[in-house]
Amino acid sequence: LAKTTQPISMDSYEGQEVNITCSHNNIATNDYITWYQQFPSQGPRFIIQGYKTKVTNEVASLFIPADRKSSTLSLPRVSLSDTAVYYCLVVGTDSWGKLQFGAGTQVVVTP
Amino acid sequence: SQTIHQWPATLVQPVGSPLSLECTVEGTSNPNLYWYRQAAGRGLQLLFYSVGIGQISSEVPQNLSASRPQDRQFILSSKKLLLSDSGFYLCAWSPAGQGQETQYFGPGTRLLVL
Repeated sequence: LAKTTQPISMDSYEGQEVNITCSHNNIATNDYITWYQQFPSQGPRFIIQGYKTKVTNEVASLFIPADRKSSTLSLPRVSLSDTAVYYCLVVGTDSWGKLQFGAGTQVVVTP
Repeated sequence: SQTIHQWPATLVQPVGSPLSLECTVEGTSNPNLYWYRQAAGRGLQLLFYSVGIGQISSEVPQNLSASRPQDRQFILSSKKLLLSDSGFYLCAWSPAGQGQETQYFGPGTRLLVL
């Protein structure tokens, strides 16, 4: 099971781009990289998922280098409502029942 | 569209009392279902998961049990609550056959054991 490491917290101002890097050195061939967002007293919300290179949706972009040992979640032009905890997960079909949410990265956006 | 419900939203229970938390999913068939617990300021811990009716896998030995009496119903129970059972309990689902890559979470139940 691939362990992930990400910063505990990050601060940003409104309108800036926030990049959160996650390390997953022992990622397996069948593993996907998935990011979730969690607001206080709510369940996590799926943001984006990728396997390699770049994935973009209406919320964020996910950059994965060729060796897949890390990934970067990019939040463009953050607003106050983007203040949340962001979790990086590495999951795959070989890891049934082994999903692990770490402590995540607390992102605080200020005016 | 699919929706997931959890109740109650908040619960205060005395030590030694029983527990029953319910989760239901609408708009999909044979979903994979999950129960998580989140302690204050911590990440989520997977407690149980189910790939079908009557099929339950436990991840962490504990004072809790889970059951899936119907396709889209998942229940978390305890016979006697401990102080350490306090936390935020989240139910989640993922589409059948998709595995765990994408999970959709319910609103959660905040449990305080006194």
